[in-house]
Parts: sequence; structure tokens; C-alpha cells
Amino acid sequence: DQQVKQNSPSLSVQEGRISILNCDYTNSMFDYFLWYKKYPAEGPTFLISISSIKDKNEDGRFTVFLNKSAKHLSLHIVPSQPGDSAVYFCAAIRGSTLGRLYFGRGTQLTVWP
Amino acid sequence: GAVVSQHPSRVICKSGTSVKIECRSLDFQATTMFWYRQFPKQSLMLMATSNEGSKATYEQGVEKDKFLINHASLTLSTLTVTSAHPEDSSFYICSAHGGSGGRTDTQYFGPGTRLTVL
Repeated sequence: DQQVKQNSPSLSVQEGRISILNCDYTNSMFDYFLWYKKYPAEGPTFLISISSIKDKNEDGRFTVFLNKSAKHLSLHIVPSQPGDSAVYFCAAIRGSTLGRLYFGRGTQLTVWP
Repeated sequence: GAVVSQHPSRVICKSGTSVKIECRSLDFQATTMFWYRQFPKQSLMLMATSNEGSKATYEQGVEKDKFLINHASLTLSTLTVTSAHPEDSSFYICSAHGGSGGRTDTQYFGPGTRLTVL
């Protein structure tokens, strides 16, 4: 039962443009959401997170938006750079289970020059 | 930032043998460690949660006797795949969570171990 879904397995964007990665979830008990970036044969690295009490969190080129009513979040990268090419995982947590992450299947982002 | 290491990074073994994977938190004490596996083009699936000094909690569908987890110290957890078979071939990743009361951006992932069972 996939509680966190990333329906786009891949996204291709030109350098300098905006990348928008989407994520949907089904469990209304999730109260904290995270984005991880992963290169091949490496573990995921934390990118940015957002609490369910917020609808936006920004860190440099990365912004995460949360729409609780739609159970949807998105990661915006602007401007996109070739080094951003990686797999991006969306993850969620329920407040009562500290540390237990529920992951989506990931979206392969390719940023071309 | 905090570092988590895994050893080995890659292992190839014959069917029926056992393989041990180590996960170490190098510069912090990890009260909880998690073991995930990832199949190609799939999400990271949690296998078990390991707390130092106590038995691991396994996710539904994960065989406890096949995937032995030991968390003997605050810096080391091991996953042993017993009597490995080709269907166990996967990418195994550990993560370590340090301290109490912190949110999950304090969860650090290891680089993963690629297991291939022939």
C-alpha cells in the first residue's frame, strides 16, 4: 500500500528553467514531509522539509509547497542546474512514529544544458 | 554533517550463503537505526527498525529469521541476510537517527550496499 506517491518517474528540464516535482499522499496523519536527493549507488541525502502547519518552505533554489486539502506537495527548483540531475524522493512521517519514513518511488530529474 | 557508513558497498555471493552488512554512525550516537531495501525503479521500503540494546521491529512481510538485525552499540547495527537467494538481490540502505526529540532531518543515510546473489 503506497501511502506516498510520485506519479512521474522522470522529468527532463533545460538548465536555467524551473523543475517541479510532485508528490501525493493518502494518509491524513502525516504531519511532516521531506525531500531527499539520491545519486546512483549512494544513500539519499536530505534536501528540504516542511511541517504540516506550513504551506511553503524555501531554502535557496529549493522551495517546497504543501497543499493539505489536496494531500499534495511539490518541490520547485529554480534555476535548475545540471548538477541537480538525480532521483528525488518524497517522504512523509506520522507524528507518533518519530523517524519512520514513508517514501515515494522517486522521480528521476535530468537537467540538460 | 553527520556521517553514516556501510560496509561492504558491494557484495556478490553464492545462493545459500549468509551475508553481513554493517552500518556505522561515525560521529554521533544513533539511538535508532533503520534498514531499507530498494529494488530498481522502486521506492525505499523499510524492512526494520532497530533500537540499541533491544530487538528489532520488523515490517509486515519481512522475515525475521532471514534478515537478522543486531544493534549492539550506539554506533553499529548489522543486517545479516541468511541463506541468501537470488530474489534477495537488492540495494540495502541503513539510516541512523540520533538523539531524542529531533525531527527526521536528523536521520542520516548510509551509502548503501549492493547485494547480488548468484
